[in-house]
Amino acid sequence: EAQVTQNPRYLITVTGKKLTVTCSQNMNHEYMSWYRQDPGLGLRQIYYSMNVEVTDKGDVPEGYKVSRKEKRNFPLILESPSPNQTSLYFCASSLSFVGDRGQETQYFGPGTRLLVL
Amino acid sequence: AQSVTQLGSHVSVSEGALVLLRCNYSSSVPPYLFWYVQYPNQGLQLLLKYTSAATLVKGINGFEAEFKKSETSFHLTKPSAHMSDAAEYFCAVSPNTGNQFYFGTGTSLTVIP
Repeated sequence: EAQVTQNPRYLITVTGKKLTVTCSQNMNHEYMSWYRQDPGLGLRQIYYSMNVEVTDKGDVPEGYKVSRKEKRNFPLILESPSPNQTSLYFCASSLSFVGDRGQETQYFGPGTRLLVL
Repeated sequence: AQSVTQLGSHVSVSEGALVLLRCNYSSSVPPYLFWYVQYPNQGLQLLLKYTSAATLVKGINGFEAEFKKSETSFHLTKPSAHMSDAAEYFCAVSPNTGNQFYFGTGTSLTVIP
């Protein structure tokens, strides 16, 4: 089954304790992206990756890191989480960047709910 | 930077009534435009997208949207609401130069029996 998986789905942590949220897709997609969703703010793009070893900042990259060593995986790293990073996080992927040919659909993972105390 | 405005954070319609969810974008050059739906405790699912082909775009579940360049709008409609349409709807844009996505703040649709 074609899907985007995220782990963990729920996470409670404390300020300053490094954490990683994993994202994996099995569709051989080139483009992957991370978003955070907050009430009243919609989704905001954190980082995206056009392909392996190619990543770039989205709208709200502060406090986050990403890496893309393999095509299928795109982990989100919070090296020193703070309470303002409490949010619902979504990973998404598409065959290529949606705008390249305007044809590609982004597939979203189920979300990771993070609480930073 | 791009921006997307969704007018009305909450919309209520009666079952069988017209659904109209509004989306306006700010861009001098028409971007790619999308509508996504999010059901409770789930990720987002693409409803439809505009990619500079036909201005009237048909999507899944009976939804459609019309791109109006003069109004910089991409409103989502459905002729007859079903109970199963109750969800959060997001409009999104992606500039035709650049690789980012910008989402609106969402509209929560309630369908009244």
